[in-house]
Amino acid sequence: KAGVTQTPRYLIKTRGQQVTLSCSPISGHRSVSWYQQTPGQGLQFLFEYFSETQRNKGNFPGRFSGRQFSNSRSEMNVSTLELGDSALYLCASSQQGYGTDTQYFGPGTRLTVL
Amino acid sequence: KNEVEQSPQNLTAQEGEFITINCSYSVGISALHWLQQHPGGGIVSLFMLSSGKKKHGRLIATINIQEKHSSLHITASHPRDSAVYICAVRRDTGNQFYFGTGTSLTVIP
Repeated sequence: KAGVTQTPRYLIKTRGQQVTLSCSPISGHRSVSWYQQTPGQGLQFLFEYFSETQRNKGNFPGRFSGRQFSNSRSEMNVSTLELGDSALYLCASSQQGYGTDTQYFGPGTRLTVL
Repeated sequence: KNEVEQSPQNLTAQEGEFITINCSYSVGISALHWLQQHPGGGIVSLFMLSSGKKKHGRLIATINIQEKHSSLHITASHPRDSAVYICAVRRDTGNQFYFGTGTSLTVIP
């Protein structure tokens, strides 16, 4: 089985722009979660999608949004980028989600905001 | 206030040593995860625990729900075990996911 894939792997944007990141889960996995990792804050939970519905959301501003498609692929969008949004964005997929089964992580998208 | 605390933050060991990484949490949980992150960013899930103990090869993870504490043990450590180990918990109410700050392990040959 192919693993979790994320595109693009690297991205450079400027303040004020918006960005869309994509995540393709392992075949058969219906849950996709997104995380932000920064040197200062470590790993933080952004949101979780299951069967096209957002099931859970972390403490991030409304500029961070996401969606999931019928094939379980997910996208996250960050609007009006700020310097502090520079981070590694990771997605993870699992069969059932809710953190009660094993999550499989993608390689991440490294976003740099200038 | 951090919901998840890990110790130690940094750990250096000689090859072959027995290693213990600790994780304490302050909220009710439905599951606890141990993750491994190598330089370059890739994260691998090592264990998911809701009670008791699990073993996979040289790695052992235990959890004590009453004491809100978990440990990750590595027996006969090897340089390839050098990585950051992260404890994460899924809260039982609200389903928030909280992460520890990680333990950076270096195993010297």
